[in-house]
Amino acid sequence: AQSVTQPDIHITVSEGASLELRCNYSYGATPYLFWYVQSPGQGLQLLLKYFSGDTLVQGIKGFEAEFKRSQSSFNLRKPSVHWSDAAEYFCAVTWSRAGNNRKLIWGLGTSLAVNP
Amino acid sequence: EAGVVQSPRYKIIEKKQPVAFWCNPISGHNTLYWYRQNLGQGPELLIRYENEEAVDDSQLPKDRFSAERLKGVDSTLKIQPAELGDSAVYLCASSLGLAGEQETQYFGPGTRLLVL
Repeated sequence: AQSVTQPDIHITVSEGASLELRCNYSYGATPYLFWYVQSPGQGLQLLLKYFSGDTLVQGIKGFEAEFKRSQSSFNLRKPSVHWSDAAEYFCAVTWSRAGNNRKLIWGLGTSLAVNP
Repeated sequence: EAGVVQSPRYKIIEKKQPVAFWCNPISGHNTLYWYRQNLGQGPELLIRYENEEAVDDSQLPKDRFSAERLKGVDSTLKIQPAELGDSAVYLCASSLGLAGEQETQYFGPGTRLLVL
């Protein structure tokens, strides 16, 4: 079955510290991978995506993510966190072989708090 | 370029009352999605449209929920009658299509519904 796991429900980091949010997926077909961020009371904003090519992708707001097929992972990173990065982060995956009825499978999200 | 527009942003109603949400997708986006997001969870797909055709409504509770996308542009999601458990954020998203990077979804700000 297709599934997406974000192992960390909640993470707290200090401002200026580095950040890594984990995302793992199941299912063997080629994945299309996304990270979205949701600030309180807001919709979901696309941070970055991976379809093919270079496995290290750059996104907005200084975020990057690396696709590791051998580990079925797509972890999100930022070298220096800002207080404005406090939000909920969602990993989402779809699969190229899922056909016309394919849909995004979502992780449960990771809530990020940033200490001043 | 304007993003996905949703209205209203907030709605408070009493149970058994009807409610409707409106969405205008990004211009040129053929695919439109309605999601429901409960507190602390990821989005759950309710219905997906390809132009004016609903191609995936398997998760839509059809006894009380209905949706339409006349003329293949904007869309309305209706609940009648609303129940307490319908309190959630209703998100609309759109994408160019369903092939590769065209299926990248862009979200509106959502409608926060509270049923009393």
